Amino acid sequence: SQQGEEDPQALSIQEGENATMNCSYKTSINNLQWYRQNSGRGLVHLILIRSNEREKHSGRLRVTLDTSKKSSSLLITASRAADTASYFCATVGSISNFGNEKLTFGTGTRLTIIP
Amino acid sequence: GAVVSQHPSWVICKSGTSVKIECRSLDFQATTMFWYRQFPKQSLMLMATSNEGSKATYEQGVEKDKFLINHASLTLSTLTVTSAHPEDSSFYICSASRYSNQPQHFGDGTRLSIL
Repeated sequence: SQQGEEDPQALSIQEGENATMNCSYKTSINNLQWYRQNSGRGLVHLILIRSNEREKHSGRLRVTLDTSKKSSSLLITASRAADTASYFCATVGSISNFGNEKLTFGTGTRLTIIP
Repeated sequence: GAVVSQHPSWVICKSGTSVKIECRSLDFQATTMFWYRQFPKQSLMLMATSNEGSKATYEQGVEKDKFLINHASLTLSTLTVTSAHPEDSSFYICSASRYSNQPQHFGDGTRLSIL
């Protein structure tokens, strides 16, 4: 299985603190994406980082990618109660014949922000 | 933009019943739709990739006769769980993408409970 692992599995922090989640994967990738899932809901795309990129920012989010270590991290700064959710990394290894990309999801981190 | 609607959001039915789940892209045309299954507190597992006008591509271990997928138009894909049994109870999530190299947009999922 190409499924990645995320660390930690669960994280609880005080509102206003920064939250860092890590993702490791097993095979070479085309890109890596981070998603958020609120309880019982679908996934919301947060950010995509390509294999030739090392860092990317979007608002309070900062993503890093180290292809030599096959790992990525997601940093959420100045956390808010609304950030409480599960966060998944997903990798794209190759482009299929139709040119569409299969996502392989990590195991997820359950983030709880304590008001 | 890029809204994906999934219906129904929740269904309970008796063992042996067939259940159809719809996935619609409301404001864009989706060349590809994906169907995932998610067990409680676990990651998403890709079941199949559906391209409009073509047969779906199933992942290893997913029974194509059990999980029928139809992608008749650029805005609608359906997943039918045939003769459902309690072990089919799960959270099913669809996603859609406009074209290659674009993020997938997810529906809110369907919680299926088979009694």
